[in-house]
Amino acid sequence: DTEVTQTPKHLVMGMTNKKSLKCEQHMGHRAMYWYKQKAKKPPELMFVYSYEKLSINESVPSRFSPECPNSSLLNLHLHALQPEDSALYLCASSLLTQRAEAFFGQGTRLTVV
Amino acid sequence: KQEVTQIPAALSVPEGENLVLNCSFTDSAIYNLQWFRQDPGKGLTSLLLIQSSQREQTSGRLNASLDKSSGRSTLYIAASQPGDSATYLCAVMGNYGQNFVFGPGTRLSVLP
Repeated sequence: DTEVTQTPKHLVMGMTNKKSLKCEQHMGHRAMYWYKQKAKKPPELMFVYSYEKLSINESVPSRFSPECPNSSLLNLHLHALQPEDSALYLCASSLLTQRAEAFFGQGTRLTVV
Repeated sequence: KQEVTQIPAALSVPEGENLVLNCSFTDSAIYNLQWFRQDPGKGLTSLLLIQSSQREQTSGRLNASLDKSSGRSTLYIAASQPGDSATYLCAVMGNYGQNFVFGPGTRLSVLP
């Protein structure tokens, strides 16, 4: 099983809403990542978790709040987003070794209205 | 800070052609380099991973090479098919294995 599952696939939210994105993997990977991708641009790193601890935060605004409740699950909590936050949010996972092939989910298409 | 570039930005070819996509990176201290494919509005599909100690990897019609000292990787696609149409991204993992830095991608269109 080399699958990273993201839910929901699509999300429309208002600027005052609170919502969460979910990512799950069962490959035993101990590194998990959130990326943001705008149209026709490469993915940009937001957060990295290693062994369920936040190891990298790429100066992401506090309206994005990551959480890693266990080694298989990664959440991204959203609150008071802006229309410019509309994007494809991608989750990825990998082993923390040199053979660290990364596997990505299909993404959540987020629209903030 | 690692920077990754890809040439060409876009490529349109007739079916059956052999293709070469290029990726360059500025810092040779890398763990590995990975090539991905992305269809419009979809996630990333891993194509090939090359570890820093390796020179090339092959999977089916795809062959990727790595020249770490010159900061270059190429992805060779043999006998291209319309189903190969997608954006191809290379990503470099730094020495601490914490972060992938992506190139801007090459948008490939294979015409029937």
